[in-house]
Amino acid sequence: DGGITQSPKYLFRKEGQNVTLSCEQNLNHDAMYWYRQDPGQGLRLIYYSQIVNDFQKGDIAEGYSVSREKKESFPLTVTSAQKNPTAFYLCASRGAGLNNEQFFGPGTRLTVL
Amino acid sequence: SQKIEQNSEALNIQEGKTATLTCNYTNYSPAYLQWYRQDPGRGPVFLLLIRENEKEKRKERLKVTFDTTLKQSLFHITASQPADSATYLCALPTGGFKTIFGAGTRLFVKA
Repeated sequence: DGGITQSPKYLFRKEGQNVTLSCEQNLNHDAMYWYRQDPGQGLRLIYYSQIVNDFQKGDIAEGYSVSREKKESFPLTVTSAQKNPTAFYLCASRGAGLNNEQFFGPGTRLTVL
Repeated sequence: SQKIEQNSEALNIQEGKTATLTCNYTNYSPAYLQWYRQDPGRGPVFLLLIRENEKEKRKERLKVTFDTTLKQSLFHITASQPADSATYLCALPTGGFKTIFGAGTRLFVKA
């Protein structure tokens, strides 16, 4: 069963703590992405990776970090430097299909108390 | 900077009618445009892609148009059903592997 998994679905953390969101894909896609979604706003790109061991900052990378040590995995760390971390976080991957579509995971809703 | 605008007001229609959603963009000439569906609390799902040289694309009850002069795409759902209720996002490539997404329009189809 191919797809993208994100865990956990809901996450609660105290202010000042770092937290890591998991994203795994078994679609054999090279490109992976992290987005943040806030109510009434479009998806905003945090980081993306076109290939293993390489990643680039998106539009709102401050306060976040990523790694891409394996093709299947692209974890996102929300650090204490992120001023407003409460949001819905979406991971996606993209292959070489004709439609250039991104495949999204189910999302992680992070609440910082 | 590149910008996508979708109607932020929800669209309420009666079952069986045609829903029409609008996507406008500025400062950009994309090679294609995509539409995604997003259900509450879930990730978006790809629906359709239309290229700059295509005026119209159809898939089952969905129809997308792309007017590169007006910088606008229209997304139609014919014979709408309550199960079509969701948020619909348009998306444009911005170079390389990056895509920008609109905020989406929420559609409610009443039985």
